[in-house]
Amino acid sequence: GQNIDQPTEMTATEGAIVQINCTYQTSGFNGLFWYQQHAGEAPTFLSYNVLDGLEEKGRFSSFLSRSKGYSYLLLKELQMKDSASYLCAAEDSNYQLIWGAGTKLIIKP
Amino acid sequence: GAVVSQHPSRVICKSGTSVKIECRSLDFQATTMFWYRQFPKQSLMLMATSNEGSKATYEQGVEKDKFLINHASLTLSTLTVTSAHPEDSSFYICSAREGRDYEQYFGPGTRLTVT
Repeated sequence: GQNIDQPTEMTATEGAIVQINCTYQTSGFNGLFWYQQHAGEAPTFLSYNVLDGLEEKGRFSSFLSRSKGYSYLLLKELQMKDSASYLCAAEDSNYQLIWGAGTKLIIKP
Repeated sequence: GAVVSQHPSRVICKSGTSVKIECRSLDFQATTMFWYRQFPKQSLMLMATSNEGSKATYEQGVEKDKFLINHASLTLSTLTVTSAHPEDSSFYICSAREGRDYEQYFGPGTRLTVT
């Protein structure tokens, strides 16, 4: 079957670094998305990884290992506004997104 | 960037009535549109995928006669919740994709409350 696993909740301190992990099992694989979703709002796109390795985009970086079925989202210099849910989604061979349940990130001052 | 709008943003209706939600791509042609439902503290659940001019493909467990989807043009898709019940109360989100572009652009969502 198809499955996405990510932690339910994480807590971090303002200014620190946090890594949110995601493992996936899909029928074929095209790429891995990360979305940010604030409470009551629609998701917003953060990153899309197709090839192995780390892609950096400002304070956010995303890593992919296709052989391990593993990705992580790295957030640096955490700000209070980064408190949100972070959704991992794998794109299968039919270009369908398989969504994780999301990781609720709580930032403390 | 690409913009997707949804209307209405919030709607309250009585049990047994029908509600139509519109999803529009404002500055691109949405060859594929997706409709999601999200219950509180849960992830997005794909309801159906629609390609312009053809019938929507519904996910397992989603009643196509209850959730009517129309994708009549490259910029508009509608979701009609027929004979709504309180358990249909949820956050409905659409997204759109242009051609084989990898990114799905999300609308702001519609909060449906059925009383």
